[in-house]
Amino acid sequence: AQKITQTQPGMFVQEKEAVTLDCTYDTSDQSYGLFWYKQPSSGEMIFLIYQGSYDEQNATEGRYSLNFQKARKSANLVISASQLGDSAMYFCAMRGRGNEKLTFGTGTRLTIIP
Amino acid sequence: KAGVTQTPRYLIKTRGQQVTLSCSPISGHRSVSWYQQTPGQGLQFLFEYFSETQRNKGNFPGRFSGRQFSNSRSEMNVSTLELGDSALYLCASSPRLGSGAETQYFGPGTRLLVL
Repeated sequence: AQKITQTQPGMFVQEKEAVTLDCTYDTSDQSYGLFWYKQPSSGEMIFLIYQGSYDEQNATEGRYSLNFQKARKSANLVISASQLGDSAMYFCAMRGRGNEKLTFGTGTRLTIIP
Repeated sequence: KAGVTQTPRYLIKTRGQQVTLSCSPISGHRSVSWYQQTPGQGLQFLFEYFSETQRNKGNFPGRFSGRQFSNSRSEMNVSTLELGDSALYLCASSPRLGSGAETQYFGPGTRLLVL
């Protein structure tokens, strides 16, 4: 079984500051994928970034980077230079090897303050 | 390339009725998964279809069912609706059957309200 823990229910961040959203995971799989999604109030889940368990380098996608610490089983999302449009719910998720579902955390509501 | 589309976007039903939701995956994607999102339970996996066959199923009662067509479009059906079925239903597609490296791309969801 897989488990994702997001310990920050909500965060308030000043515009243009960097923000780190925490995510820890638990799995017995050796091969797995970690994902971050953004969900604005409209409801659509927007894929942000992916990290494979065997990737040696941290994933980056524009202003998003994933701080992957395998030994600590953490996969924190870092958003640089936050913008007002970054205000949304953010979900960390993982998927094991083989035919398995995505397991989601409870999410972090991020609010960017002008 | 067009994204995942879901219809309808909003639905209001009464208890005891049934409902059918539709999902069209990204062109070329053959795997479709369904998730239910509620404030109390969060995001929960319903089922995954690939090549018209259900490959994986979550822990939901038999009132929840689905199918996939030869063009990869999928429908899910909920019979005998209950108040607790009120939720956002999200559909996601990926090119191949699930594995750790397969990213799932989500549609805008269908908001179902059961009165």
